[in-house]
Amino acid sequence: QKEVEQNSGPLSVPEGAIASLNCTYSDRGSQSFFWYRQYSGKSPELIMFIYSNGDKEDGRFTAQLNKASQYVSLLIRDSQPSDSATYLCAVNKGNTGTASKLTFGTGTRLQVTL
Amino acid sequence: GAVVSQHPSRVICKSGTSVKIECRSLDFQATTMFWYRQFPKKSLMLMATSNEGSKATYEQGVEKDKFLINHASLTLSTLTVTSAHPEDSSFYICSARDGLASYEQYFGPGTRLTVT
Repeated sequence: QKEVEQNSGPLSVPEGAIASLNCTYSDRGSQSFFWYRQYSGKSPELIMFIYSNGDKEDGRFTAQLNKASQYVSLLIRDSQPSDSATYLCAVNKGNTGTASKLTFGTGTRLQVTL
Repeated sequence: GAVVSQHPSRVICKSGTSVKIECRSLDFQATTMFWYRQFPKKSLMLMATSNEGSKATYEQGVEKDKFLINHASLTLSTLTVTSAHPEDSSFYICSARDGLASYEQYFGPGTRLTVT
């Protein structure tokens, strides 16, 4: 079982719709969770992180965490063509304040169509 | 957010030569830097964790004598690929953690290495 699993996609949504990206992780002791966006040929950029159960909203993005189900998701409202990219889920198994490492999923490719 | 730079952005070298990649945190002190490698259509694979002033911690399967990491200051880490071979061709990305910010890693723009 992979430590962090994502559907590779592509996930295709029409412009203006809600895109829902999902991620599961295997280590129940994981502490914090990150969503990165990566355009082709570029390095990842952080969208948001979450460490408490529930929802966290930032603009058009909402991260949802359910530790009991070991599941984290990212919702993108009012999807735009510029949102087309690969979205990477990353998990940090360490405690806050320590230099613990991130484990990345393989990413989900999102395509927002006109 | 904090800015991390990498140099060079792209390098082509001949098999058997060594290549050095620099990673700099421009506006913060990075107590820890991470080096990743990414093959086409694959996810990021952590190679090593680099702490300023100490030896790097390598992930399983990563040859420390082939991938030399030096983190001599709080703003600079270098990765040297020694005796490069075509299979080392990849996208190398560094990230840096601001010691004051618990969660975030800031990624550099990456270095595309092609070994001919």
